[in-house]
Amino acid sequence: ETGVTQSPTHLIKTRGQQVTLRCSSQSGHNTVSWYQQALGQGPQFIFQYYREEENGRGNFPPRFSGLQFPNYSSELNVNALELDDSALYLCASSSGGLGDEQYFGPGTRLTVT
Amino acid sequence: GQNIDQPTEMTATEGAIVQINCTYQTSGFNGLFWYQQHAGEAPTFLSYNVLDGLEEKGRFSSFLSRSKGYSYLLLKELQMKDSASYLCAVRDDRDDKIIFGKGTRLHILP
Repeated sequence: ETGVTQSPTHLIKTRGQQVTLRCSSQSGHNTVSWYQQALGQGPQFIFQYYREEENGRGNFPPRFSGLQFPNYSSELNVNALELDDSALYLCASSSGGLGDEQYFGPGTRLTVT
Repeated sequence: GQNIDQPTEMTATEGAIVQINCTYQTSGFNGLFWYQQHAGEAPTFLSYNVLDGLEEKGRFSSFLSRSKGYSYLLLKELQMKDSASYLCAVRDDRDDKIIFGKGTRLHILP
């Protein structure tokens, strides 16, 4: 058991709507990264938060935004949903050291119709 | 640019050895990770290499050559439970971003 939890497990939204996904990091971890994984593909880096500040971002439009809270839990918000946003969204936490392994949560499966 | 290449699929026999290769071209490099991902589950950490050479951990070993932009994951004494996708990922030293390859789906035959 990794200790990283995500909610909800599954979600169905329609095009144009907004969604918020949540992640609770493993105890003692201050770094959270979010990834989008399409079927049959590797995870694509969205962004990373370290001590409540975004400190890295992948090639995702501004309608993908996030927050990290003082307890190091995190949210991923996606506005103006598009069909291509349908994917598994993974959250991973780590203690922030180089080479530190990331512990992944079980993911949220988002379907946009 | 950033690019990570690994074979899409591989098949091996229970009890055998298999080597999964990964080549990368990234603007910056600060370590290479291997993850295992079973269908419908989250990736789990297998190994991390930042210096050239071989890291061994039980049945799994990982090798890195930074000058060649090359790594491999070696799985020995294959078991049916090793059927999974294996993801190669590189950390960029400019922003600590971790870039994943598309993964290699490994099928184990009895």
